[in-house]
Amino acid sequence: EVQLVESGGGLVKPGGSLRLSCAASGFTFSSYSMNWVRQAPGKGLEWVSSISSSSSYIYYADSVKGRFTISRDNAKNSLYLQMNSLRAEDTAVYYCARGDFGQYFDYWGQGTLVTVSS
Amino acid sequence: QSVLTQPPSVSAAPGQKVTISCSGSSSNIGNNYVSWYQQLPGTAPKLLIYENNKRPSGIPDRFSGSKSGTSATLGITGLQTGDEADYYCGTWDSSLSVLFGGGTKLTVL
Repeated sequence: EVQLVESGGGLVKPGGSLRLSCAASGFTFSSYSMNWVRQAPGKGLEWVSSISSSSSYIYYADSVKGRFTISRDNAKNSLYLQMNSLRAEDTAVYYCARGDFGQYFDYWGQGTLVTVSS
Repeated sequence: QSVLTQPPSVSAAPGQKVTISCSGSSSNIGNNYVSWYQQLPGTAPKLLIYENNKRPSGIPDRFSGSKSGTSATLGITGLQTGDEADYYCGTWDSSLSVLFGGGTKLTVL
């Protein structure tokens, strides 16, 4: 059974940093591209970033480019999102999702809440 | 405001059929596959339709997808109260970004 479990969310002050993790199991992690998608409270889905299976290709939404860094460790079956210079508008539930860039996201984690507030 | 346009809400009675539209442009829907996601209240999104009209294993055939030009449509027949959820379309854009529609809230009256 495919499982994606996010962690690392919490309350952080504007300008602060946070590192999210996503632990994957039930599939060959190193064979799949992975993604982060977020959802602000009461709002729709917003794609954040994608990384190819070997980390050769990385893409970011304009809203986070230069502030967020996606990475993965295939030996640990883990996906990460380093978030710096956080803003109030980054407040959201962050989901990790499996799926090739330009395709579809077939499995999603349960999400982790990031709140940026003073 | 999303690049992909969906109606904010749709409603229908149990057993009836409903369609949800998703309108884009030639830089996204017009030249790429569309996927659809169902998000039940308080849960993570779930893949419902991929590559315009394919259903993942376990998704009942009450759910269908189609695409024509720069628009896509999700159809749900035999509506059940358990179908009440938010539905999102998604696709890729030539600007190297993934796009989602603004979401449509389905109410089963």
